[in-house]
Amino acid sequence: AQTVTQSQPEMSVQEAETVTLSCTYDTSESDYYLFWYKQPPSRQMILVIRQEAYKQQNATENRFSVNFQKAAKSFSLKISDSQLGDAAMYFCACATGNQFYFGTGTSLTVIP
Amino acid sequence: DTGVSQDPRHKITKRGQNVTFRCDPISEHNRLYWYRQTLGQGPEFLTYFQNEAQLEKSRLLSDRFSAERPKGSFSTLEIQRTEQGDSAMYLCASSLTSGRTLYFGPGTRLTVT
Repeated sequence: AQTVTQSQPEMSVQEAETVTLSCTYDTSESDYYLFWYKQPPSRQMILVIRQEAYKQQNATENRFSVNFQKAAKSFSLKISDSQLGDAAMYFCACATGNQFYFGTGTSLTVIP
Repeated sequence: DTGVSQDPRHKITKRGQNVTFRCDPISEHNRLYWYRQTLGQGPEFLTYFQNEAQLEKSRLLSDRFSAERPKGSFSTLEIQRTEQGDSAMYLCASSLTSGRTLYFGPGTRLTVT
């Protein structure tokens, strides 16, 4: 079975600072994809960033970047220059075959 | 691209009643997923369609739950004889067959009293 673990239920960051959210996963598949999704309060889940497991280069999307350590099965999300609008639940997910497996989420608070 | 839509956004029902939710995926997306999310948890897989075919159901999905996707377009999720434990956010998501990225709808929040 695939599992995704987010060990930080809550995190906080000062506005304009950098924060890193942790995620580890476990899969026996060689073909898989990793995602970070953001779910603002009472709003829908949106994709933040995606990483194909076969790519060694870490994905980046503007202020968001990942540190993908395949051997360690680690997939952390770095948010640079944090903004108030970054406050949300962040879910890490692993997709193998037709299935997506989600972690339990990290609640990020941005302090003005 | 209008995104994934779900209706209704909120549903309050009494225990024992039946409820039905609708999901309209992004028009060119072949795959459609239903998830359940409870407070403080990540989305939990319920079922998945490829076009009109329901290809997979979670073992956690009781017989009271049924889903359809006629003609491979919109989908409905019905819960019969609702129980208080069914209270949750029901999320629909869609993706291209080869896209691997899920696009989520806003969810339907079900409260069973």
